[in-house]
Amino acid sequence: DAKTTQPPSMDCAEGRAANLPCNHSTISGNEYVYWYRQIHSQGPQYIIHGLKNNETNEMASLIITEDRKSSTLILPHATLRDTAVYYCIVRVARNFNKFYFGSGTKLNVKP
Amino acid sequence: DADVTQTPRNRITKTGKRIMLECSQTKGHDRMYWYRQDPGLGLRLIYYSFDVKDINKGEISDGYSVSRQAQAKFSLSLESAIPNQTALYFCATSWSGDTQYFGPGTRLTVL
Repeated sequence: DAKTTQPPSMDCAEGRAANLPCNHSTISGNEYVYWYRQIHSQGPQYIIHGLKNNETNEMASLIITEDRKSSTLILPHATLRDTAVYYCIVRVARNFNKFYFGSGTKLNVKP
Repeated sequence: DADVTQTPRNRITKTGKRIMLECSQTKGHDRMYWYRQDPGLGLRLIYYSFDVKDINKGEISDGYSVSRQAQAKFSLSLESAIPNQTALYFCATSWSGDTQYFGPGTRLTVL
């Protein structure tokens, strides 16, 4: 699996959009970008994933650059409950590869 | 009701004791996984199972064993617990290697 690079921490004001970047410059053509988050030692929670098109669901939006070497997770209106560690992962879907979680980005949402 | 459950949620034990952690899922997924997480670090894969007859070692299987009693149940055993096995343990499930869904975790302390 391609490795990812994320900033160790970010701050965001409550109610504002949180934009979390991820670099994955060695991503292969068949590797998907996944995002999970972990709230204070709870089980990691799936957020969203995509291959090359932008994706949106009820939790977030995923923007993948045209060359697929980086992506951004967008939480449109961050709340205090969104404070968590966010992990960007690349892997081949539908094929066993473990999820390499790395260190992630600690998002601090402040009042 | 949660789709992936883990029991116990917390356990304190002594060095040398045998411990079993249990995981059950109602998602109907074929694949199940055990991970451990140490403070400030990402998740590391211990064992994974493609189905009840297919068990595979992950990156840190030494000192652990597993049993897939049914499609919905996957247990992790520490035959003789040692202090450096103190960690958070997570079970996860997926359908054919797709998105993994995690349980709430078990906090294990070995004294």
